Amino acid sequence: SQQGEEDPQALSIQEGENATMNCSYKTSINNLQWYRQNSGRGLVHLILIRSNEREKHSGRLRVTLDTSKKSSSLLITASRAADTASYFCAPQASGGSYIPTFGRGTSLIVHP
Amino acid sequence: KAGVTQTPRYLIKTRGQQVTLSCSPISGHRSVSWYQQTPGQGLQFLFEYFSETQRNKGNFPGRFSGRQFSNSRSEMNVSTLELGDSALYLCASSLGQFKSETQYFGPGTRLLVL
Repeated sequence: SQQGEEDPQALSIQEGENATMNCSYKTSINNLQWYRQNSGRGLVHLILIRSNEREKHSGRLRVTLDTSKKSSSLLITASRAADTASYFCAPQASGGSYIPTFGRGTSLIVHP
Repeated sequence: KAGVTQTPRYLIKTRGQQVTLSCSPISGHRSVSWYQQTPGQGLQFLFEYFSETQRNKGNFPGRFSGRQFSNSRSEMNVSTLELGDSALYLCASSLGQFKSETQYFGPGTRLLVL
């Protein structure tokens, strides 16, 4: 099954700074989703980008997708302490199952 | 709509015992997926049930099993528990009809095996 690999594994920044996380995958996809997980809790869906889209925005989130490089990035602008969480990408493979598969995530710490 | 609920939230068991975890999906959702999350392995897919049938399965031993009832509620069972089964078990629900669906996660059941 298709699995995303997030990079970096951990990221520590100050409030107000931007945070960028990357995701790489191996096969062609229909779409790619980003999720957030606060410590020890369930995942929350953030944004979905389809394979024919290159960029998508949602509030302070900006997601890009480069299908030629099989990579995506999530940018959080003007980060806040409340953004502290783990972030996962979930590529949905073309011809694959309905179920997104997740990597190990990027652990983001935003210091107040 | 009420969100995905999981019971119990915390559980302590000893090696060799078995455990059953429960998940109630969002009303109208017919797909329920289970994941195991550990610090070492990350978030790993266990299996997915849709309309009472297992539709997808991850790479876990037969000690891990599940089922889904006619009201879409799902249970997973782990038999002969091992120390390595200590993890956060998450379930997620979705409509189960389209490939671009969002998964809605429950808060998880944290299992500790002693």
